[in-house]
Amino acid sequence: AQSVTQLDSQVPVFEEAPVELRCNYSSSVSVYLFWYVQYPNQGLQLLLKYLSGSTLVKGINGFEAEFNKSQTSFHLRKPSVHISDTAEYFCAVSDGYIPTFGRGTSLIVHP
Amino acid sequence: GAVVSQHPSRVICKSGTSVKIECRSLDFQATTMFWYRQFPKQSLMLMATSNEGSKATYEQGVEKDKFLINHASLTLSTLTVTSAHPEDSSFYICSAIRDVGGYTFGSGTRLTVV
Repeated sequence: AQSVTQLDSQVPVFEEAPVELRCNYSSSVSVYLFWYVQYPNQGLQLLLKYLSGSTLVKGINGFEAEFNKSQTSFHLRKPSVHISDTAEYFCAVSDGYIPTFGRGTSLIVHP
Repeated sequence: GAVVSQHPSRVICKSGTSVKIECRSLDFQATTMFWYRQFPKQSLMLMATSNEGSKATYEQGVEKDKFLINHASLTLSTLTVTSAHPEDSSFYICSAIRDVGGYTFGSGTRLTVV
């Protein structure tokens, strides 16, 4: 069984400030990890994914995440956010077949 | 690459009628597609896994007679909400596997049953 915990339901931040969205997972097998972004009334867009190799993964729109196996974490970071980053962010874990999603973190960027 | 097209994006239907939602993989063949339901401010709830040429696998608690899934080709899966009621109103999203670790999502369908 696999599960994902996104500890923060909402993260408010000012524009140009750094942000970290937290994600912890549990799984009994090797995992693939993902971060998706969802804008209102839209599907999910892949930000980045970890399949293997380097634990620091760079994605689109300036986001990056670090896979930490010992802490079973895959936190998402961005050094300087923009208003346009306001959206819902979902962390997901997969065993290679069916992904399991966290409950989501709403990132709210204030001017 | 790896585009999934989902239609319609919005649909309003009367209670008791049926609604069909289509999910197409445009530039790849999708042996497996997933159907999710999303309630406001909540995560995606997996409803069923759709495999081309075989019956869908439904998650516990999902009524297979109400949510009919057909995956007749490698590029098309459909979800039909039969005898829809207001409580079926929700945001439905499909997803397809392209390769290991590659999930592509449709843009979602907002269903409103009045």
